Amino acid sequence: AQSVAQPEDQVNVAEGNPLTVKCTYSVSGNPYLFWYVQYPNRGLQFLLKYITGDNLVKGSYGFEAEFNKSQTSFHLKKPSALVSDSALYFCAVAKYNFNKFYFGSGTKLNVKP
Amino acid sequence: ETGVTQSPTHLIKTRGQQVTLRCSSQSGHNTVSWYQQALGQGPQFIFQYYREEENGRGNFPPRFSGLQFPNYSSELNVNALELDDSALYLCASSLGRGTGSLSGNTIYFGEGSWLTVV
Repeated sequence: AQSVAQPEDQVNVAEGNPLTVKCTYSVSGNPYLFWYVQYPNRGLQFLLKYITGDNLVKGSYGFEAEFNKSQTSFHLKKPSALVSDSALYFCAVAKYNFNKFYFGSGTKLNVKP
Repeated sequence: ETGVTQSPTHLIKTRGQQVTLRCSSQSGHNTVSWYQQALGQGPQFIFQYYREEENGRGNFPPRFSGLQFPNYSSELNVNALELDDSALYLCASSLGRGTGSLSGNTIYFGEGSWLTVV
């Protein structure tokens, strides 16, 4: 069975500091990994994806994520956090030829001035 | 703006009633997926429609049903509403069947429909 774990319900970081939001996954075969962000009362916005190739993926708004196959992780990172990055972040996995995403439970990122 | 529109944005229903939620997919997209996001949880896959046929279903009872129309818009119908059906219902639009041709930024989510069952 496919699953995604986001071990932290909440991450607090000061503006200007680096941030990391953790994600581990379990899927048979090669995974397709995604990060989405959700602002209050809004839908999901795509940030970045890993399909194949370079393990370091760069996405929208200065975010990046590193695929680590041995640790089955896909942590989201940003070198310098902004207050406007405060939102709910979801990691998701899809399996090739599978028709749906499995989402993690989400991590609330709080960036304080 | 993702080009995916959902209606209504908010609604309140009474337990036992029926509800229909609607989704207009992004122009050119032929696949629509529906997700339920309960408060404090990640979205859960309900089902997907590809070219008007169901193309996979999650762990939801039969009272959750759907349709996709020739213009690829879609409806989610829920019968015999229960209190636990209260959630944000998200529609996702994409091109192609499954994820074989997947590139994540072609999967666009709408803003969702908030359903409250009282």
